[in-house]
Amino acid sequence: GAGVSQSPSNKVTEKGKDVELRCDPISGHTALYWYRQSLGQGLEFLIYFQGNSAPDKSGLPSDRFSAERTGGSVSTLTIQRTQQEDSAVYLCASSAQGSLSPLHFGNGTRLTVT
Amino acid sequence: KQEVTQIPAALSVPEGENLVLNCSFTDSAIYNLQWFRQDPGKGLTSLLLIQSSQREQTSGRLNASLDKSSGRSTLYIAASQPGDSATYLCAAPGGGSNYKLTFGKGTLLTVNP
Repeated sequence: GAGVSQSPSNKVTEKGKDVELRCDPISGHTALYWYRQSLGQGLEFLIYFQGNSAPDKSGLPSDRFSAERTGGSVSTLTIQRTQQEDSAVYLCASSAQGSLSPLHFGNGTRLTVT
Repeated sequence: KQEVTQIPAALSVPEGENLVLNCSFTDSAIYNLQWFRQDPGKGLTSLLLIQSSQREQTSGRLNASLDKSSGRSTLYIAASQPGDSATYLCAAPGGGSNYKLTFGKGTLLTVNP
């Protein structure tokens, strides 16, 4: 596709439910990032995938968060047993060479936990 | 740990004015620095990427400078237009990572017609 695609664009879920957020990066981009943007908090790094290397999961806030990237392309961010503090916009980005080349962001998934 | 600060947090200018947005970072061992804009309800759009070996990068009415020694970058917007209204963010790697970007909280720019 022409850009990074994220789905769903909006997700409302009840506290305690699991959610899956999807990211389709730009074709050929080997690097993929997940960031979280909360009101007034700025962008928070969550996880980084680069090719077939082990991902950098150092930004995941708890073990309720996990992510995978299948076939070096599509990525899924899963949040188990959602809490109200998980409410935020989850942004995915891809790039050709990590941070050595421009990051291309999707429009994000706005998650609301009620 | 890299920390990125942007000043001012908000800026309102009349159309046609030239303006400067500021970004400072604490870890100067960076490979590059990126500037983005974010429109309401949207993701970030990359504007400029300055390599550490460069001092300036230009794209149309935008000019970004980088001074690693002082830990500062500026984004200059010439002849501002209402369509430039958005939040502008800078981001830099650091803290031992060359891929993990730390973002500033952004400058909300409003250009009034």
